Amino acid sequence: SQQGEEDPQALSIQEGENATMNCSYKTSINNLQWYRQNSGRGLVHLILIRSNEREKHSGRLRVTLDTSKKSSSLLITASRAADTASYFCATDRSYQKVTFGIGTKLQVIP
Amino acid sequence: DVKVTQSSRYLVKRTGEKVFLECVQDMDHENMFWYRQDPGLGLRLIYFSYDVKMKEKGDIPEGYSVSREKKERFSLILESASTNQTSMYLCASLVGTEAFFGQGTRLTVV
Repeated sequence: SQQGEEDPQALSIQEGENATMNCSYKTSINNLQWYRQNSGRGLVHLILIRSNEREKHSGRLRVTLDTSKKSSSLLITASRAADTASYFCATDRSYQKVTFGIGTKLQVIP
Repeated sequence: DVKVTQSSRYLVKRTGEKVFLECVQDMDHENMFWYRQDPGLGLRLIYFSYDVKMKEKGDIPEGYSVSREKKERFSLILESASTNQTSMYLCASLVGTEAFFGQGTRLTVV
């Protein structure tokens, strides 16, 4: 069964706007990660946040984690056309078994 | 640079054929994974391996088997391919909690 579930499933914004994607999960986790996938390619790791962290930044990315609500959000600021991709959250449980959500498809319109 | 290589980018096989999908990583990682990705379902874990000759079932192992004879190579086997196994297959290896993905194999079973 899927551990993470992203929301919304699709998002379309204008270049320069901020994009926010959310992820909810069901069981307790060690870490939560966000990945990006360009069309028809493999996934690329973006950022990891540990269960004892609440917020993390990396360039134009900001990730928050609320373990009491079992949810995380990914904010991409000042979006660019090149940010167009699908974004997945991933959680790891036992034995480093990493499971992914369904993903949010982001389109940034130039 | 980390590298995970899947043997084929595109593959077309007939129903009933035995299919091998190969994945090689050059990072000496212990953990390797096979996922399939389908529209609306995200990535689903088929099998994973945390050491040579060790394997664990993921969430959807039915119809698949795996082989890990050497640390760098993790093979996914479809014993008798069926049309419902038409999908994008993604291999990943893991260091710590970060997964590195291959480029994916788009398998079509006709």
